[in-house]
Amino acid sequence: DIQMTQSPSSLSASVGDRVTITCRASQSISSYLNWYQQQPGKAPKFLIYAASSLQSGVPSRFSGSGSGTDFTLTISSLQPEDFATYYCQQSYSIPYTFGQGTKLEIK
Amino acid sequence: EVQLVESGGGLVQPGGSLRLSCVASGFTFNSYWMTWVRQAPGKGLEWVANIKQDGSGKYYVDSVKGRFTISRDNSNNSLYLQMNSLRVEDTAVYYCARALLQYRFDYWGQGTLVTVSS
Repeated sequence: DIQMTQSPSSLSASVGDRVTITCRASQSISSYLNWYQQQPGKAPKFLIYAASSLQSGVPSRFSGSGSGTDFTLTISSLQPEDFATYYCQQSYSIPYTFGQGTKLEIK
Repeated sequence: EVQLVESGGGLVQPGGSLRLSCVASGFTFNSYWMTWVRQAPGKGLEWVANIKQDGSGKYYVDSVKGRFTISRDNSNNSLYLQMNSLRVEDTAVYYCARALLQYRFDYWGQGTLVTVSS
């Protein structure tokens, strides 16, 4: 199985900050990488697919990059509604695996 | 509007069985792969199983193979997860989700809680 490792596990930031979350795959997954946002007590929300393509309706302050084994999710200017947990997910091979999550908290 | 509504969760003893359902609306159900993802309390997300549009392809994470069965009824826009031989470690919120190209989960239900405990 492909292991996905996110860093950091938690992050404190302020409204307006630029933040970057990293996701590393245990083997090359080309660009088969998706990102999700989960608010407490809610279902995950689909943000980015194919490493860098923004899902329809997702604000442009979110962006993704990377290929192979190293990927990043960047939020250019944090808004109050962005404080949540973020998960990466590889869609290269079954079983589809998720990172352990990065909790983004208000500083 | 795409909607996915799960039901069927509850408290069950180890070794017991439970059947989860997910009713879909707002899209052409038989045109999409569907999937189940679970989340143990306070933990991350774990993909459980998915099923092809016509039900001919089914895939599972190793930890549930032989115990869980995913199925669908396209005439009723419904997805199911039959869970047998349940273990304490199966305790989680179970989400159904629509899958684009089999592996991008673009719409999720609100989840249903399964608790396995004696």
